Amino acid sequence: DTAVSQTPKYLVTQMGNDKSIKCEQNLGHDTMYWYKQDSKKFLKIMFSYNNKELIINETVPNRFSPKSPDKAHLNLHINSLELGDSAVYFCASSRRTGGSMGYGYTFGSGTRLTVV
Amino acid sequence: QQQVKQSPQSLIVQKGGISIINCAYENTAFDYFPWYQQFPGKGPALLIAIRPDVSEKKEGRFTISFNKSAKQFSLHIMDSQPGDSATYFCAASINNNDMRFGAGTRLTVKP
Repeated sequence: DTAVSQTPKYLVTQMGNDKSIKCEQNLGHDTMYWYKQDSKKFLKIMFSYNNKELIINETVPNRFSPKSPDKAHLNLHINSLELGDSAVYFCASSRRTGGSMGYGYTFGSGTRLTVV
Repeated sequence: QQQVKQSPQSLIVQKGGISIINCAYENTAFDYFPWYQQFPGKGPALLIAIRPDVSEKKEGRFTISFNKSAKQFSLHIMDSQPGDSATYFCAASINNNDMRFGAGTRLTVKP
């Protein structure tokens, strides 16, 4: 199936731990993103990578570090987890340049992170 | 700073009615305006999109109305069905890059 897949789907961890979320897309897209969705459903962009190069880095604590080994993968590593990091994290992908109404972002199904 | 403002926050509509969700944007450089639908436990999925050179786009029961001078656009869902109950997000981007989302509208369609 063509899709954006992220693992794990659920992640429960204690404060202070380090954890990673993995994302892979097989759509042939050249740009990948991480979004954070808070308890009020607000979607906020965190990072954007185009062909393994960081192009957007919003105001995110430096405990969050994205890594893109190739243009089909974008992982998110979080150090020293805090209670406020609890949220749903979505990976997405797209083609960098528009030009067709078929373009948009394809989202994964999300990773629900709970820090206790 | 939220670049795309969406209202209402929640909406309850009877089956068969029309659901209308509104969005306003600030950045005139935005050139792509999609709407996303999100069901519980799922990621947002692209529903319909429009570019600013068009004032309206219709796909089945879903229509986007776009007012460039007012910097506003809206989603109309005709003949709303219980299966349309979801959270809807408007969004805007420049050349499909750096997509900014509205705060979302939780739609409930009552049978």
